[in-house]
Amino acid sequence: GDSVTQMEGPVTLSEEAFLTINCTYTATGYPSLFWYVQYPGEGLQLLLKATKADDKGSNKGFEATYRKETTSFHLEKGSVQVSDSAVYFCALSAHGNKLVFGAGTILRVKS
Amino acid sequence: EAQVTQNPRYLITVTGKKLTVTCSQNMNHEYMSWYRQDPGLGLRQIYYSMNVEVTDKGDVPEGYKVSRKEKRNFPLILESPSPNQTSLYFCASSSWTPVNSPLHFGNGTRLTVT
Repeated sequence: GDSVTQMEGPVTLSEEAFLTINCTYTATGYPSLFWYVQYPGEGLQLLLKATKADDKGSNKGFEATYRKETTSFHLEKGSVQVSDSAVYFCALSAHGNKLVFGAGTILRVKS
Repeated sequence: EAQVTQNPRYLITVTGKKLTVTCSQNMNHEYMSWYRQDPGLGLRQIYYSMNVEVTDKGDVPEGYKVSRKEKRNFPLILESPSPNQTSLYFCASSSWTPVNSPLHFGNGTRLTVT
């Protein structure tokens, strides 16, 4: 079945450091790919998405590129802030009616 | 304010005592879904609904029931809760399927079954 694998956390960075959170997927067909973010005590919210190979999703300084050849969708940000501390979930949708989520990666940013 | 509202936020109950977690959205969304979040497993879908009176099983439906009698409400029912249903539950909605429109999540319900 469809699945998403994320790097284990927590990831701890200093403010202004470069961030990469790895995400790879297994799916039939050509899924759409997403990153959702969960701030403490809240529900998830969509951060960015990409719907086809080589698409780049971007939002709030975060970027991720849909790489079909490596089945990856790694999340990057050039300079993290303390306010970026959250749990980040990679997800895919291959059949339209549901999202399949990864286990989530905790990011902690220290000032 | 556009939102998905879940109640209660916290719930402690005993094995076998029926309970309902309510979910309501004020965005006129067609699609609604329930997820459970467990450490190391991420979010797993329990049930979803594409429209009123239309529901379907997700990946982990055993032990749960749902109904969609009105567009705005999508309650989650545990007829006979067991300790393995201790989890953090999220309701979510979107204007159409989640591949085409972003999911809006509630703030979660933390359920403990003893």
